[in-house]
Amino acid sequence: SQTIHQWPATLVQPVGSPLSLECTVEGTSNPNLYWYRQAAGRGLQLLFYSVGIGQISSEVPQNLSASRPQDRQFILSSKKLLLSDSGFYLCAWSIGFSDTQYFGPGTRLTVL
Amino acid sequence: GDSVTQMEGPVTLSEEAFLTINCTYTATGYPSLFWYVQYPGEGLQLLLKATKADDKGSNKGFEATYRKETTSFHLEKGSVQVSDSAVYFCALTQGGSEKLVFGKGTKLTVNP
Repeated sequence: SQTIHQWPATLVQPVGSPLSLECTVEGTSNPNLYWYRQAAGRGLQLLFYSVGIGQISSEVPQNLSASRPQDRQFILSSKKLLLSDSGFYLCAWSIGFSDTQYFGPGTRLTVL
Repeated sequence: GDSVTQMEGPVTLSEEAFLTINCTYTATGYPSLFWYVQYPGEGLQLLLKATKADDKGSNKGFEATYRKETTSFHLEKGSVQVSDSAVYFCALTQGGSEKLVFGKGTKLTVNP
């Protein structure tokens, strides 16, 4: 069966510091991968998606970036965090653009 | 663009009460419809889905029927339990699209 992992589970970072969040998927090959952010009072927002190694599409311009160095690894990064980057970050996967996305446990990021 | 509207929360019920969470959507074409559930501090879990008109999705005692004529996908459960306390998200996706469009979520609290 397929599983999706995210780490760290929680993170507290100062403003201006770098960020690296990791997501890995097991039990499937060539998945589509997604990063979402859930900010208080703002629902779920799609940030990036990837259909393959090295292929990244951005949905929202911001100071975040994403990379996919391996087939089942998806990384969310920032060079300098802003207070507004605080939130709950969720990684998800799907088989192609089929209709069901499966979510990881999330990372709670607090920027102080 | 496509959108999902959920009833405003929070919703507070007593154990064994009947639950309805309303969801309506606006979309071109024939979207697939989903209910996801998020327990405190966790990621999203797929609760149920329906891919065409008149389909009924069901899981763990929850049900929702895809009503094209009313563009609705209301979530129901006949007898809620304390363990059902969570945030419920209605969502849609169009075939071939990378985007999963979410409602804002409805927080449910079930008291013993």
